[in-house]
Amino acid sequence: QSALTQPPSASGSPGQSVTISCTGTSSDVGGYNYVSWYQQHPGKAPKLMIYDVNKRPSGVPDRFSGSKSGNTASLTVSGLQAEDEADYYCSSFTGSHNLVFGGGTKLTVL
Amino acid sequence: EVQLVESGGGLVQPGGSLRLSCSASGLTFSSYWMHWVRQLPGKGLVWVSRINSDGSGTSYADSVKGRYTISRDNAKNTLYLQMNSLRAEDTAVYYCACGTSTWSNYWGQGTLVTVSS
Repeated sequence: QSALTQPPSASGSPGQSVTISCTGTSSDVGGYNYVSWYQQHPGKAPKLMIYDVNKRPSGVPDRFSGSKSGNTASLTVSGLQAEDEADYYCSSFTGSHNLVFGGGTKLTVL
Repeated sequence: EVQLVESGGGLVQPGGSLRLSCSASGLTFSSYWMHWVRQLPGKGLVWVSRINSDGSGTSYADSVKGRYTISRDNAKNTLYLQMNSLRAEDTAVYYCACGTSTWSNYWGQGTLVTVSS
């Protein structure tokens, strides 16, 4: 199972919006509404930010939103804040009943 | 407060074995799917394995299938990962995580496994 494709980096200024893409295939992202997104700060464990494409766990700010079109899922962070600077990973269920992560995107707040 | 605490990591020679444990507290352990996810040093997350809530169903990444075995003891609130025939490329921080079959909302802090002679 190949990793999902994410851009290695993204950036934006405080207050701006940034969107991170996650591209897979019809056997994973495109085939199921089971895409999730995780935030990871250096030296910390990952934190769930979005599940089932566009659902937010309690406690996650509504500045974070998810969507999907075809084989590509997206995470949008609106109203960027300094604490949003982190690595972001997408994940999807796959047709072989496994999970697969993306390679990760380093988000920099300028 | 939910806590997941991994243990059992360390240095092992290529071809060796190691058993990781993940002790859970603050949640009804037997209600959740559990996952192992690894992260190579300075690299991204890689899903390794998952087990359903009663332990009757498991799945594995192709890279570890036949070498790793996931299991759980719901009476002890503990998840395990038996790792055999270890290779240098298995060197990573191993996280346990709990949630559903497709996402995890609680994660441990990870345990480092180093495979080297």
